[in-house]
Amino acid sequence: GQSLEQPSEVTAVEGAIVQINCTYQTSGFYGLSWYQQHDGGAPTFLSYNALDGLEETGRFSSFLSRSDSYGYLLLQELQMKDSASYFCAVGSNYQLIWGAGTKLIIKP
Amino acid sequence: DSGVTQTPKHLITATGQRVTLRCSPRSGDLSVYWYQQSLDQGLQFLIQYYNGEERAKGNILERFSAQQFPDLHSELNLSSLELGDSALYFCASSVRSSILDEQYFGPGTRLTVT
Repeated sequence: GQSLEQPSEVTAVEGAIVQINCTYQTSGFYGLSWYQQHDGGAPTFLSYNALDGLEETGRFSSFLSRSDSYGYLLLQELQMKDSASYFCAVGSNYQLIWGAGTKLIIKP
Repeated sequence: DSGVTQTPKHLITATGQRVTLRCSPRSGDLSVYWYQQSLDQGLQFLIQYYNGEERAKGNILERFSAQQFPDLHSELNLSSLELGDSALYFCASSVRSSILDEQYFGPGTRLTVT
C-alpha cells in the first residue's frame, strides 16, 4: 500500500526554526511536494524535490532522501503568519498522494 | 488570489441528489485537478485532466464523474449523494501535466449533504 506519515502537530516559538518530517511508503515514487494551508483557506505550493538534497526558497527549505524514503520542510525565522497546516504530498503513479498534515502552532 | 475560480462557494443538498461543481483554471493552465478534503484531513486526489483529456484518476467513486471542456474549464458531477460526501472540494490548475508542478488552488466548494 501507500502511506505518508507526518506529525499531527508541532509547536515552536516566533523567530525560531522548525522542521516538519515526512516519511513515505509508495511505489512509483518520483517526487515530494510541500503545501501550506491556513485555516479556511486553499493550499498553496511551497516546494518540491524530485532529487535528493536540499531546495531553498527564502525562509523555507525542503529536503529529500530517496534512499531513506524521507523528507522534511524547514522553516526559519518563524513568523506568526506561518501558523498553518503543512502537507507533504508524494508523486506516485501519476497521482499526488497527500499526508494528513502537520498543524504548526507558533507562540510569541 | 490564485486565479482559479470555483462555483458555487457553498452548496447544501439532500441525500440522493446530484450536484455539479465548476472550476475555471488560471489563464494558460492546461491541467485541472480535483480534490476532496474532509474535515481536518489531507486532500484526496480525485482526478486530473490535461488539455481536455483524462490524465490520471485517484480514488474517485463511480458516483462521481468529471470532464474538461474545450475552453479548459472543468466540472465535477456528484450523484446519489450520501452524508459522507460532505466535504470541501478543491480544484487546482497547473501549466503542464506533471503533478509535481506548482498547483494553484481555487477557494473550494463546501458541500453539505443533509
